[in-house]
Amino acid sequence: TAGITQAPTSQILAAGRSMTLRCTQDMRHNAMYWYRQDLGLGLRLIHYSNTAGTTGKGEVPDGYSVSRANTDDFPLTLASAVPSQTSVYFCASSDRGQGVSPLHFGNGTRLTVT
Amino acid sequence: QQQVKQSPQSLIVQKGGISIINCAYENTAFDYFPWYQQFPGKGPALLIAIRPDVSEKKEGRFTISFNKSAKQFSLHIMDSQPGDSATYFCALYFQTISNTGKLIFGQGTTLQVKP
Repeated sequence: TAGITQAPTSQILAAGRSMTLRCTQDMRHNAMYWYRQDLGLGLRLIHYSNTAGTTGKGEVPDGYSVSRANTDDFPLTLASAVPSQTSVYFCASSDRGQGVSPLHFGNGTRLTVT
Repeated sequence: QQQVKQSPQSLIVQKGGISIINCAYENTAFDYFPWYQQFPGKGPALLIAIRPDVSEKKEGRFTISFNKSAKQFSLHIMDSQPGDSATYFCALYFQTISNTGKLIFGQGTTLQVKP
């Protein structure tokens, strides 16, 4: 089935450790995004990429980094995890940008930082 | 900073009833108002969207309406069904001062439709 694949599905991570959340899309969409979802706060944008080779900061970028080496992959890295990064992380893509075409989301990675 | 305030946080409706979710915003110039639906364990998916030059849009049992003077847009689910039980997010898209596009989401509403 075409769409966004995220891995792992869930993870428990010790504080101070690093981790990379993987995201792959097979729709050849130009733009990709990382959101975190927290109860009562909705979805907040961490980083985005409008096209391969470019990235940008969203609302809550601190403590996270991304890369976009090709169209399909958009990994999110936590260099040194902290408990406040406990959240559900969603990767998304869109064909022509957030204001023109819909976002297609993956099923998320549930991360617990202890 | 632009915000969207979504209410209620949770909603319980009987089967066949009308579910109403509201979103209020602060500023004026928006380009696009999408609503996303999220089932447990899944990512959100676009449900329906409206642009500010249209006051209402209906797709099946789902209707979104836009009240510019009240700075509010709403989702109505008619004849609510247990299968509609999900979390709903409103969002709005606007151009920032630096002329970049930005999409911000409401806080989410968890809807439970009782059989």
